[in-house]
Amino acid sequence: DAEITQSPRHKITETGRQVTLACHQTWNHNNMFWYRQDLGHGLRLIHYSYGVQDTNKGEVSDGYSVSRSNTEDLPLTLESAASSQTSVYFCASSESGGELFFGEGSRLTVL
Amino acid sequence: QKEVEQNSGPLSVPEGAIASLNCTYSDRGSQSFFWYRQYSGKSPELIMFIYSNGDKEDGRFTAQLNKASQYVSLLIRDSQPSDSATYLCAEVRWGKFQFGAGTQVVVTP
Repeated sequence: DAEITQSPRHKITETGRQVTLACHQTWNHNNMFWYRQDLGHGLRLIHYSYGVQDTNKGEVSDGYSVSRSNTEDLPLTLESAASSQTSVYFCASSESGGELFFGEGSRLTVL
Repeated sequence: QKEVEQNSGPLSVPEGAIASLNCTYSDRGSQSFFWYRQYSGKSPELIMFIYSNGDKEDGRFTAQLNKASQYVSLLIRDSQPSDSATYLCAEVRWGKFQFGAGTQVVVTP
């Protein structure tokens, strides 16, 4: 069965360190997204991609970057982690006009 | 101003009753609307979507869309304890999903 996997599922890091969250989907979807979820804010879009070599900023992109070198993967990098980036991160993918499929989430704690 | 607004709740619903959830949006260009259910500690899962004005039914769930008034709603009939979750409304434009903050529903026996 097709799926979308995230790793690591849990991560504790220190302020200032670089962190990369991996996302891999086997749906062969062109569209991939990264969201963060915090209490009271719902899901907020960080970055998204409509295909290989395409990346776009979402509403809360400061301090985050992504790259899309193939269809399956969209890693999210925190260049210098800050305590405000403590959150649950969800990767998702979709085909145009279709539903959004979510990974299981990655819980990041920045101390 | 958030583009998709939902009442955060919690919405307390007796078992067997109808739960009514509302969502308003500001972008008149939104092309479709999705409702997701999210249990605590889990990822969101699709309930249903709607593109056209009017009602769309799927089992115990009915989605209603009114583009003129810019709102979309979800009705859950015969609510069960397993329906206790947070419900997320999303508008979609050019393939990009914009979510509301979600409404927490608590179904009481």
